[in-house]
Amino acid sequence: DGGITQSPKYLFRKEGQNVTLSCEQNLNHDAMYWYRQDPGQGLRLIYYSQIVNDFQKGDIAEGYSVSREKKESFPLTVTSAQKNPTAFYLCASNTPGSSSYEQYFGPGTRLTVT
Amino acid sequence: AQKVTQAQTEISVVEKEDVTLDCVYETRDTTYYLFWYKQPPSGELVFLIRRNSFDEQNEISGRYSWNFQKSTSSFNFTITASQVVDSAVYFCALSETNTGNQFYFGTGTSLTVIP
Repeated sequence: DGGITQSPKYLFRKEGQNVTLSCEQNLNHDAMYWYRQDPGQGLRLIYYSQIVNDFQKGDIAEGYSVSREKKESFPLTVTSAQKNPTAFYLCASNTPGSSSYEQYFGPGTRLTVT
Repeated sequence: AQKVTQAQTEISVVEKEDVTLDCVYETRDTTYYLFWYKQPPSGELVFLIRRNSFDEQNEISGRYSWNFQKSTSSFNFTITASQVVDSAVYFCALSETNTGNQFYFGTGTSLTVIP
């Protein structure tokens, strides 16, 4: 089955700790994205990557870092510099310009930092 | 400025009623794409439909229909004979080819269908 996996589904961390959220896709998509969703709000773009070894900041990149060493993987690290990290994080992928242009989403990771 | 506006924050309807979710977008591109997604309580966004800027034909898929009007920059979504399983948050999104193919999401409309 093709799709996007995110792990874990729920993650708890103490303030001051870095934490890495996993995102893997087997859809052979070129581009991958990370979004943050806060309660009652829309999706805000954190980072995106259109090809391996390249990524760009989105609207709210401060306090986050990413890497794209493999086409299938786009992990997101939430650093201690992120002032309010508790949120729902969604990973997505697509191939821009293709016939199926829409972004496909993973099940999300709910991060709670106390 | 918000590129995608979903003015309806929450809507409640009784089962079997029809409901329309509004979406207004803003772009200067001539080539762009519009999308609707459904987010059930589980959290994963489910793709519903894609429409490109050159295709204003309305679309019907079962109980779902979409009305794309470039003249009013709107891409509205209607659910006919709503069911409890339609309860979810629905997001409208815009992608412009001249801005790196980023997706701009609206803030979502939370639909509750009351049995």
